[in-house]
Amino acid sequence: AQSVSQHNHHVILSEAASLELGCNYSYGGTVNLFWYVQYPGQHLQLLLKYFSGDPLVKGIKGFEAEFIKSKFSFNLRKPSVQWSDTAEYFCAVTTYGNNRLAFGKGNQVVVIP
Amino acid sequence: DAMVIQNPRYQVTQFGKPVTLSCSQTLNHNVMYWYQQKSSQAPKLLFHYYDKDFNNEADTPDNFQSRRPNTSFCFLDIRSPGLGDAAMYLCATSRGERTISTDTQYFGPGTRLTVL
Repeated sequence: AQSVSQHNHHVILSEAASLELGCNYSYGGTVNLFWYVQYPGQHLQLLLKYFSGDPLVKGIKGFEAEFIKSKFSFNLRKPSVQWSDTAEYFCAVTTYGNNRLAFGKGNQVVVIP
Repeated sequence: DAMVIQNPRYQVTQFGKPVTLSCSQTLNHNVMYWYQQKSSQAPKLLFHYYDKDFNNEADTPDNFQSRRPNTSFCFLDIRSPGLGDAAMYLCATSRGERTISTDTQYFGPGTRLTVL
């Protein structure tokens, strides 16, 4: 079964700082990759996803992620964070033909004004 | 707005007392999922329905059951809750069309279950 690793569970940074969250998965076949975000008091929602084409994917609110197949990675980035980016971020994976989302443990990100 | 609704948002039950959590959707999606999320852990898929077809995960305890009486509603039944079943339970839906593995899943706000 596929597994997803996210490191640095707690991240604290100041507004305007750059953010990068790592995501690595363990599965040798075709994968589909997702980043979900959960703002305080809200439900999980899709930030961006990759399943084919350009490995650099742009999502909502200025986020982007890059799929690097050789590194089994799908890192999330934002060049300049805002206080409103305070949230928990989850990386998730499905494999080809399978709708089972395997989630990482999440990154709790706090942006200090 | 089309959405995924979970009731109740907070549920307290006693050890061993059956409890039912409900989920409804206005998205008319084919697939409905139930996840369990314990504190500081990743959401873990318990089972899902593709239309009327029930798909149980191999490691989901028998204590957990589900019903989907129609497209809009899905229920999670915990027959005899233990202390270890205290968690956030998330319902999600997806379209379930041709390329199901690339589907976006739409989540409800969750029900936080406390077991006394």
